Amino acid sequence: TAGITQAPTSQILAAGRSMTLRCTQDMRHNAMYWYRQDLGLGLRLIHYSNTAGTTGKGEVPDGYSVSRANTDDFPLTLASAVPSQTSVYFCASKGKRQDGANVLTFGAGSRLTVL
Amino acid sequence: AQTVTQSQPEMSVQEAETVTLSCTYDTSENNYYLFWYKQPPSRQMILVIRQEAYKQQNATENRFSVNFQKAAKSFSLKISDSQLGDTAMYFCAFMTPNSGNTPLVFGKGTRLSVIA
Repeated sequence: TAGITQAPTSQILAAGRSMTLRCTQDMRHNAMYWYRQDLGLGLRLIHYSNTAGTTGKGEVPDGYSVSRANTDDFPLTLASAVPSQTSVYFCASKGKRQDGANVLTFGAGSRLTVL
Repeated sequence: AQTVTQSQPEMSVQEAETVTLSCTYDTSENNYYLFWYKQPPSRQMILVIRQEAYKQQNATENRFSVNFQKAAKSFSLKISDSQLGDTAMYFCAFMTPNSGNTPLVFGKGTRLSVIA
């Protein structure tokens, strides 16, 4: 089934350690995004990429980095994790449905706990 | 900058009854899209319904319909004949056609509980 695959599903990480959350899509969408979801705050944009080779900062980029070496993959890296990065992370891509509508498709999320 | 406000953090409804979730937004754009996403306990983000701002007719998807009031910048979601499977977080979201670095702006969500 076409869509977005995120890994890992869940992870516990010691503070100060690095971590890469993986995201792969098979829909050939140009635009991809990383959001974090926190209780009472909804989803907030961390980083985005409008096309392979380009990235940009969203609303809450500090402590995170991304790369976009190709169309399909958009990994999110925490260089030195801190407890405030405990969250659920969603990867998404934007593309046209069969009816021509632009919509975002989301992965299943990665729950990260930083202790 | 666009903002989306959901003023009801939590709601509950009896099974088979109708419930309306509120959403307001702020934008200076004239052309945009509005969405409702459902997030059940499985955590998956599921698109429920989508509305284009230039369309006056309210979108409907089976038991889900919206009341889109462009002048008032209001976009409420009505769920008819509520079912236990409708229990979830519901997020209202906003997007402009060439949104670039702001693909979807989300509200903070409304947690809906359907009671048997």
